[in-house]
Amino acid sequence: GDSVTQMEGPVTLSEEAFLTINCTYTATGYPSLFWYVQYPGEGLQLLLKATKADDKGSNKGFEATYRKETTSFHLEKGSVQVSDSAVYFCALSDAGNNRKLIWGLGTSLAVNP
Amino acid sequence: SAVISQKPSRDICQRGTSLTIQCQVDSQVTMMFWYRQQPGQSLTLIATANQGSEATYESGFVIDKFPISRPNLTFSTLTVSNMSPEDSSIYLCSVELWGAWGNNEQFFGPGTRLTVL
Repeated sequence: GDSVTQMEGPVTLSEEAFLTINCTYTATGYPSLFWYVQYPGEGLQLLLKATKADDKGSNKGFEATYRKETTSFHLEKGSVQVSDSAVYFCALSDAGNNRKLIWGLGTSLAVNP
Repeated sequence: SAVISQKPSRDICQRGTSLTIQCQVDSQVTMMFWYRQQPGQSLTLIATANQGSEATYESGFVIDKFPISRPNLTFSTLTVSNMSPEDSSIYLCSVELWGAWGNNEQFFGPGTRLTVL
């Protein structure tokens, strides 16, 4: 079945460092891909999404490009801030049922000042 | 967007007892979802709850163990019955709404952290 493999954490960076969190997937068909973020004490929030190959999702300085050839959707940010400290989840929804999300394990990010 | 609250935020329960988790949304929604996030694992969908119909359970989850109520368009409950330590998890509810991205997206509650002794 469909699955998502996400880079293991925790990831610890200094402020203004470059961030990459790897995400690869296996799916039949053409899924939509998502990054969700969970800040401490808050619920999961959609950070960005991409619905077809070569789409780039972006939000709050984060970007991820839907790469069909490598089945990847890596999350990147050029300069992280302390406020980016959170857990990041990669997810996909299968083409036939956009409501059912398949999740990665989550990657915890801690940014130090 | 939606504001979703869950009660309780956390609980410690004894083996063999049951706990009912409440999910309240600040707007009317058709579809609500219940997820489980066990320690060190990803989120797993338990069931989809539409108002006015029986919940639809995913493989591996049954109504006797996880009964769900959906009495109106803003509220749902999930009961974890006859609990065992393996039920220790974070339980999340989510709703589907028209989001800022121009299509339906899921919004999540803060979760209920359950520990079963």
